[in-house]
Amino acid sequence: SQQGEEDPQALSIQEGENATMNCSYKTSINNLQWYRQNSGRGLVHLILIRSNEREKHSGRLRVTLDTSKKSSSLLITASRAADTASYFCAYLLTGGGATNKLIFGTGTLLAVQP
Amino acid sequence: EPEVTQTPSHQVTQMGQEVILRCVPISNHLYFYWYRQILGQKVEFLVSFYNNEISEKSEIFDDQFSVERPDGSNFTLKIRSTKLEDSAMYFCASSGLLGGYTFGSGTRLTVV
Repeated sequence: SQQGEEDPQALSIQEGENATMNCSYKTSINNLQWYRQNSGRGLVHLILIRSNEREKHSGRLRVTLDTSKKSSSLLITASRAADTASYFCAYLLTGGGATNKLIFGTGTLLAVQP
Repeated sequence: EPEVTQTPSHQVTQMGQEVILRCVPISNHLYFYWYRQILGQKVEFLVSFYNNEISEKSEIFDDQFSVERPDGSNFTLKIRSTKLEDSAMYFCASSGLLGGYTFGSGTRLTVV
């Protein structure tokens, strides 16, 4: 299966703490993206990291990519109650050609307690 | 910032009825997609569309499903005879050559 796996499946932290979510995949990728989804709502693109990048920052988000281990992590620093959501990794396979489809991970449900 | 627009936001339909979900992708994007997410589950790829034809489809995308880009701006997903298990959130997306995706806000389909 090409599906990405994420862990933990659920994470509960206190406001102000950092949250780390991990994603593993099985094939060669072109890039890896992280999305956020509030309950029952749409997918919001957070950050994209290319296969030749190792780390990327955007505000309170830090993403790492280790292509040798086929894994990525998303770190949210100084979490807020408003960060409560599901977070999905999604990756684009190399040689996508005419498809360019994204393969989504299973998601991490983050709950930030005020 | 350009958006992908989906209508309706919520559709309720009776089992066996046909539904058409509509999307307006970003105008200069070349790839168009439909994904679905059954409640509480992961996001699944349905179909990709490039150069006015289907470029890839998943096992989920059987003969009950079809896609069209009828007028150069709209991109539609039709389900001919809906089943209860088709109830899900359906996301349209578009991307350029480098794979930068933009998703719509989704259509929640409820089959009763």
